Amino acid sequence: QVQLVESGGGLVKPGGSLRLSCAASGFTFSDYYMSWIRQAPGKGLEWVSYISSSGSTIYYADSVKGRFTISRDNAKNSLYLQMNSLRAEDTAVYYCARDYGSGSYYNYWGQGTLVTVSS
Amino acid sequence: QLVLTQSPSASASLGASVKLTCTLSSGHSSYAIAWHQQQPEKGPRYLMKLNSDGSHSKGDGIPDRFSGSSSGAERYLTISSLQSEDEADYYCQTWGTGIGGVFGGGTKLTVL
Repeated sequence: QVQLVESGGGLVKPGGSLRLSCAASGFTFSDYYMSWIRQAPGKGLEWVSYISSSGSTIYYADSVKGRFTISRDNAKNSLYLQMNSLRAEDTAVYYCARDYGSGSYYNYWGQGTLVTVSS
Repeated sequence: QLVLTQSPSASASLGASVKLTCTLSSGHSSYAIAWHQQQPEKGPRYLMKLNSDGSHSKGDGIPDRFSGSSSGAERYLTISSLQSEDEADYYCQTWGTGIGGVFGGGTKLTVL
């Protein structure tokens, strides 16, 4: 069965960096676009970034452009999110999700990892 | 601009039915959407993709109690025979090239 397991969250000071990982299993990872979506405490879902199956196409939400970098390692069935220059407003649970198609809807989600940006 | 609008809350009694609405912004009435369920303290779960003609395809293991329909710019999620575990937040989502996923604000469903 499809499994997505995020890791790497934690407490970081404003201006700091963090790298999230998502380990995928149960499907051919290299065939699918993947996305990061976040949810601030008590708020709704916000798309952050997506990456094509080969890694050649990448998009970011304006709120993270220039600070976050999405990447993938198809040999390791893993998705990553490098987060730099973190701000308090980046505090959220970060989910990885598998796209059904080319940057479309998400038909599988991970359980999330919490990132807290605070001094 | 592609925007999805949902009512913040809804409620219905145990065993009854409820219909949740997601409205696409002007000019986007042909867009498909997806419905996702988020139970308390859990990650979201994909329910179904819903097309503008009302056809839909559900995710793995989603019960028949969940169904979708469409009318114009409105997309609906109907849950029948409500159970306590259906108490959750429900999000609609659409997408566009280069803009990633677009989410509605979510509807908090209370089962009375």
